[in-house]
Amino acid sequence: QKEVEQNSGPLSVPEGAIASLNCTYSDRGSQSFFWYRQYSGKSPELIMSIYSNGDKEDGRFTAQLNKASQYVSLLIRDSQPSDSATYLCAVTSGRDDKIIFGKGTRLHILP
Amino acid sequence: DVKVTQSSRYLVKRTGEKVFLECVQDMDHENMFWYRQDPGLGLRLIYFSYDVKMKEKGDIPEGYSVSREKKERFSLILESASTNQTSMYLCATEDSSYEQYFGPGTRLTVT
Repeated sequence: QKEVEQNSGPLSVPEGAIASLNCTYSDRGSQSFFWYRQYSGKSPELIMSIYSNGDKEDGRFTAQLNKASQYVSLLIRDSQPSDSATYLCAVTSGRDDKIIFGKGTRLHILP
Repeated sequence: DVKVTQSSRYLVKRTGEKVFLECVQDMDHENMFWYRQDPGLGLRLIYFSYDVKMKEKGDIPEGYSVSREKKERFSLILESASTNQTSMYLCATEDSSYEQYFGPGTRLTVT
């Protein structure tokens, strides 16, 4: 059973549009949720953390959490070519707070 | 800013060699992790440590060991390198909010 699921993509979005990335998780006890960005050949970089239901905004990024439906999403407004990367969703295990990563969604912003 | 450094960006070793990968952090984080990342398989946890001298096996510990003699330093050891250990190795630290910060990674090739 996959614990953190993401569509592998690639997701192609025109420059200037909103990119929407989704993630579902299986553990109802998960309490902490994260989005990491990983450029090709580089290491993951934390871009958003969210711990309670609702929206959290940081610049062009908005993380959305719905614990009842067990999904977390990342919206990127005014998408730029520099946003082209793989986005990893991560959640903590409800049992031991260990981080579980999804396999990532490849995002391609079309100039 | 969290700084996580890894001893090498690229490494080429021969089958059967003992390989040491070192990770150093400057943020006084208790928790440190070693992952490997392969195309299509995502991030896989090899070992982690929540304290000096303490180590725990992750999901794929076979063929690896670790050492944590000092809080800031976490080493991954490949006892006898094999070709199936060719991979990108990523070290991470974790703060009290479970946010993980990655080093730049070591791309290891075993021939």
